[in-house]
Amino acid sequence: EAGVAQSPRYKIIEKRQSVAFWCNPISGHATLYWYQQILGQGPKLLIQFQNNGVVDDSQLPKDRFSAERLKGVDSTLKIQPAKLEDSAVYLCASSLAVGNTIYFGEGSWLTVV
Amino acid sequence: TQLLEQSPQFLSIQEGENLTVYCNSSSVFSSLQWYRQEPGEGPVLLVTVVTGGEVKKLKRLTFQFGDARKDSSLHITAAQPGDTGLYLCAGARGNNDMRFGAGTRLTVKP
Repeated sequence: EAGVAQSPRYKIIEKRQSVAFWCNPISGHATLYWYQQILGQGPKLLIQFQNNGVVDDSQLPKDRFSAERLKGVDSTLKIQPAKLEDSAVYLCASSLAVGNTIYFGEGSWLTVV
Repeated sequence: TQLLEQSPQFLSIQEGENLTVYCNSSSVFSSLQWYRQEPGEGPVLLVTVVTGGEVKKLKRLTFQFGDARKDSSLHITAAQPGDTGLYLCAGARGNNDMRFGAGTRLTVKP
């Protein structure tokens, strides 16, 4: 069974530029999560989707971050404009349903210079 | 301030030693999960505990959920270099709210 796929794996951008990350969850998983993991910290939930609807985006900095899951499968996370403090690993994860085991992708590593 | 406090933050031991890492909170959780994350990879689920006082064993790893469901511990017996990684605990408060601790970074030297 294929795991959660993310791209790109690595991205370096200058501050004030924009970046987009893509995620393809495990087939059949209705719940999709985006986490931000800053070096030395645990993952912080940015947004949670149930199919194509948002369940929780309370910790998403909406002035610069946006995410969508239009057809209830793939998802994109966008940052515009990026700040230095956005340097982190962006982890996508999915689960069959809320409360089920969460499977993580390998992450997209962002460095903002 | 982290909802879940993990200790120690860093731990470096020799192969064959035993160790315990802790995950503490003032909040009650419906379930608590332990993950291991290796460099360059996403976290991988090790175990989920749901009942206060529950003990689960996974080979050389023993997980315990506190009676009040506010804390948990992970004990590793006879640690091996392959156990090296970042150990994360995550507590669930209802279905839509799961928070991670900052993790314990374990290094096991051969």
